[in-house]
Order: sequence, then structure tokens, then C-alpha cells
Amino acid sequence: GENVEQHPSTLSVQEGDSAVIKCTYSDSASNYFPWYKQELGKGPQLIIDIRSNVGEKKDQRIAVTLNKTAKHFSLHITETQPEDSAVYFCAASGKSSASKIIFGSGTRLSIRP
Amino acid sequence: EAQVTQNPRYLITVTGKKLTVTCSQNMNHEYMSWYRQDPGLGLRQIYYSMNVEVTDKGDVPEGYKVSRKEKRNFPLILESPSPNQTSLYFCASSPRVFYNEQFFGPGTRLTVL
Repeated sequence: GENVEQHPSTLSVQEGDSAVIKCTYSDSASNYFPWYKQELGKGPQLIIDIRSNVGEKKDQRIAVTLNKTAKHFSLHITETQPEDSAVYFCAASGKSSASKIIFGSGTRLSIRP
Repeated sequence: EAQVTQNPRYLITVTGKKLTVTCSQNMNHEYMSWYRQDPGLGLRQIYYSMNVEVTDKGDVPEGYKVSRKEKRNFPLILESPSPNQTSLYFCASSPRVFYNEQFFGPGTRLTVL
């Protein structure tokens, strides 16, 4: 079945350094790839998304890259800050499952002061 | 304030005692969905609804029921809860089915003894 794999499951970086989280998906028809951030005790919140006709998208310190050939997409956070500490989820949906969205297993990001 | 609300936020119950978790959104969204979150497994979709009276199974529908009689409400029903349904549950809504940000509720932590 459709699957999204996310790595690493935990990530600890020094404040100010960059963090990278990677995901791969199995459904070649997927064409929408959102990233969600979940802070402690709250529901996930969209931070950035990318569609399959775009290879890269940036929003201030956050960027997402997409490689459709390899079925791989990544989240990049630069100049990390303490408030970036959270659990991050990648997800994929597309034509074959437009009404369904498959989430990765999550990455717990910790920012060391 | 635009939001998704869930009730109750916390629930401890016993095996076999029917329960309902309510979900309501005030954004006139067409699409609503239920997820469960378990450690190491990320968010898994239980059921979704593309509009009033239209519901469909997600990846883990066994043991759950839903209904969508009104656009704003999407309750999750556990007819005979079992311990393996102990989890953190999230309701989400989206303006329409395709390629849109999902807005998540605050979550319901359910424990089935």
C-alpha cells in the first residue's frame, strides 16, 4: 500500500545550526507534499507545502525540496531557534489518493542552547 | 475565532462501553477527517468525509464509526472500545478535498482499560 517513510525519528542540533528531515513516498501519483509541526500538547499545524510542479519552496528559515524522480522530499530549517523544537511530520497525497493523506512517522527535533 | 474543537480532551473508559468524541469546525469546511496518533506510527487516518452524508474509510477504520449529518460536525463513535484503541485522536478539517491545508483540533487523549 501507499507509504511515507520519514528519517530521522529524533534529531538534536545546536541552536543556530541547520536541521534536515527527509521523507520518501511510494505512490508515484502523489503530487502534494505538506509539512506539519506539532508542539507539545497541540494539534499539528501546517508550516510549508509543495506541489509536484515545483522543485523547491522557501519561507524565511524553512525550505522544502522535492525530487519526483527519486520520490523524495526534504525539510530544511536554517538558523534554528529554541521555538523550532517540536515534532515534524511529512505527508503525501495525490491523484490516486486525493482524498487521503499519508503521514510519515514523525521527527522529534530538539534544539540545544 | 476560526477553529476545530474536540470534546472531551481527555477520557478514561473501560472495555466495551460505547463512547463518542465530538468534532466541530466553524470555517464552513467541506472536508473533515479523523486521525489517531501513536508513538512511532505518526498520524493514521481513520475516516474522512468529503461533504455532508459522504464518508469513507481511511487506513485504520476497524472499530470506529463516523457520521456527517451537518457540515460543521463529524463525531467519532467507538461502539465497543478495546485497549488497542488507547491513543491520541485528532480531528481535522480542510476547505475542500484536494491539496489544501488541514486544520487540526487540539486532540483527545483516550485510555481504554
